[in-house]
Amino acid sequence: DQQVKQNSPSLSVQEGRISILNCDYTNSMFDYFLWYKKYPAEGPTFLISISSIKDKNEDGRFTVFLNKSAKHLSLHIVPSQPGDSAVYFCAATLSNDYKLSFGAGTTVTVRA
Amino acid sequence: DTGVSQDPRHKITKRGQNVTFRCDPISEHNRLYWYRQTLGQGPEFLTYFQNEAQLEKSRLLSDRFSAERPKGSFSTLEIQRTEQGDSAMYLCASSLAESTFHSGNTIYFGEGSWLTVV
Repeated sequence: DQQVKQNSPSLSVQEGRISILNCDYTNSMFDYFLWYKKYPAEGPTFLISISSIKDKNEDGRFTVFLNKSAKHLSLHIVPSQPGDSAVYFCAATLSNDYKLSFGAGTTVTVRA
Repeated sequence: DTGVSQDPRHKITKRGQNVTFRCDPISEHNRLYWYRQTLGQGPEFLTYFQNEAQLEKSRLLSDRFSAERPKGSFSTLEIQRTEQGDSAMYLCASSLAESTFHSGNTIYFGEGSWLTVV
């Protein structure tokens, strides 16, 4: 069963504009959420995370928003840069657990 | 390089052959995980170790798969009698067991080992 869903398989955005990636989850027990970035033929690299006790976490150009009532989170990248072109995975877990449940990923293409 | 390293990066094998992948975690990390990723999907959990003990195996891990972590350092993932459906990227990851995500702990992935079964 797919507990984490990324319904947009791809996103194209112009350089300098905002990229918004969405993620939905079904398991209300999840209390920690992570975003990973993945380049082709490489493993995922950790980008940013958020605990369920917060509704926003910001790190430089990256901001993650969490709406627990809607079981929805989003990643904002602003301004988007060509190096941001990659696949972005949303992942969720229980904070005292060890397993991550991943979405299928969203491929972001930043156009010059 | 102090990250998670995996070897080999790419492996092409004939159906029915056995393959083995190796993972060296970040040196102070006592938890080690194996995930599998197929095209168009996110990584899926296979198994994890805390030190040398294998504490959970996913139902995705059939009897043809075996993972070990002798001495709690590096780990190996062996696939026996490979099938075309085994073609995927096998990802190793590691983390600390002593701290939770809330304290800033996270899971770090290696670059993956691509398996193609022909």
